[in-house]
Amino acid sequence: TQLLEQSPQFLSIQEGENLTVYCNSSSVFSSLQWYRQEPGEGPVLLVTVVTGGEVKKLKRLTFQFGDARKDSSLHITAAQPGDTGLYLCAGRVIQGAQKLVFGQGTRLTINP
Amino acid sequence: GAGVSQTPSNKVTEKGKYVELRCDPISGHTALYWYRQSLGQGPEFLIYFQGTGAADDSGLPNDRFFAVRPEGSVSTLKIQRTERGDSAVYLCASSPGTGGSPLHFGNGTRLTVT
Repeated sequence: TQLLEQSPQFLSIQEGENLTVYCNSSSVFSSLQWYRQEPGEGPVLLVTVVTGGEVKKLKRLTFQFGDARKDSSLHITAAQPGDTGLYLCAGRVIQGAQKLVFGQGTRLTINP
Repeated sequence: GAGVSQTPSNKVTEKGKYVELRCDPISGHTALYWYRQSLGQGPEFLIYFQGTGAADDSGLPNDRFFAVRPEGSVSTLKIQRTERGDSAVYLCASSPGTGGSPLHFGNGTRLTVT
């Protein structure tokens, strides 16, 4: 059973389109992180959200933590080929805990 | 270097053999993690160290898997009697160890068991 469910698992869109990736759970998380992974490399942190309802922006990427801290979304505006990669959400269930559990990832392909 | 270093980058072994995978964390990071990632999937938690001790080894799949961090820095993941199902990318990450801090990952060791 996957603690964090990501959807969609695969997404292929044209350059310039907008998209949203979702990360859902039945558990409450003290914090949630989004990572991006390129082939042959380890995941790299994009953002951490800790407060229910929190919204963070990173250039064309907007991250939101659900009010109940059970879900999160990543929205990309005007996607570019450089956004292609595997996007992973990861969360800590207990406040101050170090164990980080990952979702199964969303593989995003942006076509020129 | 400044990042997490994993060696070897690739390892091919025969079924039944023993393998060791090494991780050099970022200097000063007290927390060290091992994850396993199958093709197209997210990283699966294996074990987490705080200093020299394994604070959480609940993700180790069975007793063929073992990890050590004797001096609180370098860690070795050991797999005995390897099976074809062990084939995956094994990722190591470190963090400063404070609550909620992000993980810094190495590029992984791709293990192939033939």
